[in-house]
Amino acid sequence: AQSVSQHNHHVILSEAASLELGCNYSYGGTVNLFWYVQYPGQHLQLLLKYFSGDPLVKGIKGFEAEFIKSKFSFNLRKPSVQWSDTAEYFCAVMQSPGGFKTIFGAGTRLFVKA
Amino acid sequence: NAGVTQTPKFRVLKTGQSMTLLCAQDMNHEYMYWYRQDPGMGLRLIHYSVGEGTTAKGEVPDGYNVSRLKKQNFLLGLESAAPSQTSVYFCASSDPGSRYEQYFGPGTRLTVT
Repeated sequence: AQSVSQHNHHVILSEAASLELGCNYSYGGTVNLFWYVQYPGQHLQLLLKYFSGDPLVKGIKGFEAEFIKSKFSFNLRKPSVQWSDTAEYFCAVMQSPGGFKTIFGAGTRLFVKA
Repeated sequence: NAGVTQTPKFRVLKTGQSMTLLCAQDMNHEYMYWYRQDPGMGLRLIHYSVGEGTTAKGEVPDGYNVSRLKKQNFLLGLESAAPSQTSVYFCASSDPGSRYEQYFGPGTRLTVT
């Protein structure tokens, strides 16, 4: 069965530190990849997505992610985090084409110390 | 444009009681989903719908039923609530036109005692 693994469940960083959150998936076919973020008390919202083309995708608030097909990975990065990035981050994978179901990882809670 | 709304926001049930969670979207999206979010487990798909009048099972459908009588509404029912169904429930919608980006509701926190 398709699965999504996020390596870190909890991450604590100081402001201005660099961030990398790992995400690996198990599906061998074509996939669409997403990172969603849930700020405290808010809805989940899309951070960035990859469908095709340049494997380095840029999202909102300075986040980016790189799709490495050979490693089945889609890691999220940000060069310098801010206190306002404190949130839970979810990697998600959808089979393509024709798939409607999206499988989510367990999430990574990021806490940024001011 | 409210996006995706869910009612109620909070609910406490006793074991064996039934209830219905309502999800509504005003974006004319074809696809709608119900997830549950549990600590350390991310979001797990309960049921989904690819259009009005259609429903399908997700990863964890047991104990839940759904209906999509109108395109904008997706109802999740618990016929006989169990403590294992204590969770936060999220509804989402998406559309091929938006490349399947999912838009989420604010969630319903359900406690079953």
